[in-house]
Amino acid sequence: RKEVEQDPGPFNVPEGATVAFNCTYSNSASQSFFWYRQDCRKEPKLLMSVYSSGNEDGRFTAQLNRASQYISLLIRDSKLSDSATYLCGMGDSWGKLQFGAGTQVVVTP
Amino acid sequence: EPEVTQTPSHQVTQMGQEVILRCVPISNHLYFYWYRQILGQKVEFLVSFYNNEISEKSEIFDDQFSVERPDGSNFTLKIRSTKLEDSAMYFCASRETSGRAQETQYFGPGTRLLVL
Repeated sequence: RKEVEQDPGPFNVPEGATVAFNCTYSNSASQSFFWYRQDCRKEPKLLMSVYSSGNEDGRFTAQLNRASQYISLLIRDSKLSDSATYLCGMGDSWGKLQFGAGTQVVVTP
Repeated sequence: EPEVTQTPSHQVTQMGQEVILRCVPISNHLYFYWYRQILGQKVEFLVSFYNNEISEKSEIFDDQFSVERPDGSNFTLKIRSTKLEDSAMYFCASRETSGRAQETQYFGPGTRLLVL
């Protein structure tokens, strides 16, 4: 089983719609959880950290389920600029991040 | 806003040649990382560096790789004898540590390495 798994997509989303996707992880010792956004051939950019209680940043909501070992990301009111690949990242105590292969989101007019 | 910088942005080299990729982490950060991303694949951890020594490395980071912080600002990744399969985007990242596990890691724009 892969350490971090994501549905590669693409998720084709009409502008204004909601899209949600998950990321599962196998290392129960993971200490920190993140969603990064990666545009084509660019560096990963932090979208948001994910906390046990769940957290929201504008149109983005992230959840962590430690018991089932997954995190989720929900994007409301999708914009064309949300089109990107979304990477989940799991951190250990030294900060090493293990990434999933990414979920591609394509927002269409 | 402070950012991680990397040079060069692109490098083309012949198989067997040595390359040095350079990074300038954010100035008050203490943890430094190298990752790579082969085209079409996921971002993979190579090595982490703290207090002038390697704190963790992956299986990819074999004897052909080394890291160094030669002065107070630069952080370098050296590949001694490049192979075709080393062709990838190499990202440097840094993290300020305050002891919080959820500390953000900031990535540089990457160096695209092509080995011919």
